[in-house]
Amino acid sequence: EAGVAQSPRYKIIEKRQSVAFWCNPISGHATLYWYQQILGQGPKLLIQFQNNGVVDDSQLPKDRFSAERLKGVDSTLKIQPAKLEDSAVYLCASSPEFATNEKLFFGSGTQLSVL
Amino acid sequence: DAKTTQPNSMESNEEEPVHLPCNHSTISGTDYIHWYRQLPSQGPEYVIHGLTSNVNNRMASLAIAEDRKSSTLILHRATLRDAAVYYCILRETSYDKVIFGPGTSLSVIP
Repeated sequence: EAGVAQSPRYKIIEKRQSVAFWCNPISGHATLYWYQQILGQGPKLLIQFQNNGVVDDSQLPKDRFSAERLKGVDSTLKIQPAKLEDSAVYLCASSPEFATNEKLFFGSGTQLSVL
Repeated sequence: DAKTTQPNSMESNEEEPVHLPCNHSTISGTDYIHWYRQLPSQGPEYVIHGLTSNVNNRMASLAIAEDRKSSTLILHRATLRDAAVYYCILRETSYDKVIFGPGTSLSVIP
């Protein structure tokens, strides 16, 4: 079974530039999550999708971050404009169902450095 | 969101058992206890979960206190590959959020 795919693996940009991350969840998984992990901290949930609808985006800085999940499959997370404090690893995860105790499957993440 | 408390770091000798504690004194009756671990430069991976009874799988065992206010992840024989950050998480079934704390960084000494 193929895992959660994320790209790019690394990205270096200057502040005020824009950047986009892509995630392809495990086939058939209805729920998709984006997390931000700053060095030395646990992952922080940014947004959660159920199919192509947003379930929770309370921690997403909506003035600069946006995310979409077209057709309930792939997802893109965008930052525009980036700030220095956005330097982090961005993790995508998926699970088969919503509101169950299914385990989450994580990708390897995209490491973003904002200079 | 439900809260958990874990030690920041622990050490273990290789091939010895490791007991990783987690306190969750505000747990509600329907919250499941989940454990994930994160190896260096990788995303977290699921380890085990339980509700009331102790659980075993090929990776680890989960011992849950009778009052459910604490739990312990048990690695029966630590290997160098078990060096990772271990996260104890309470999952609120009604909202299905997976909220990570800082976790416990486990070092395994050869």
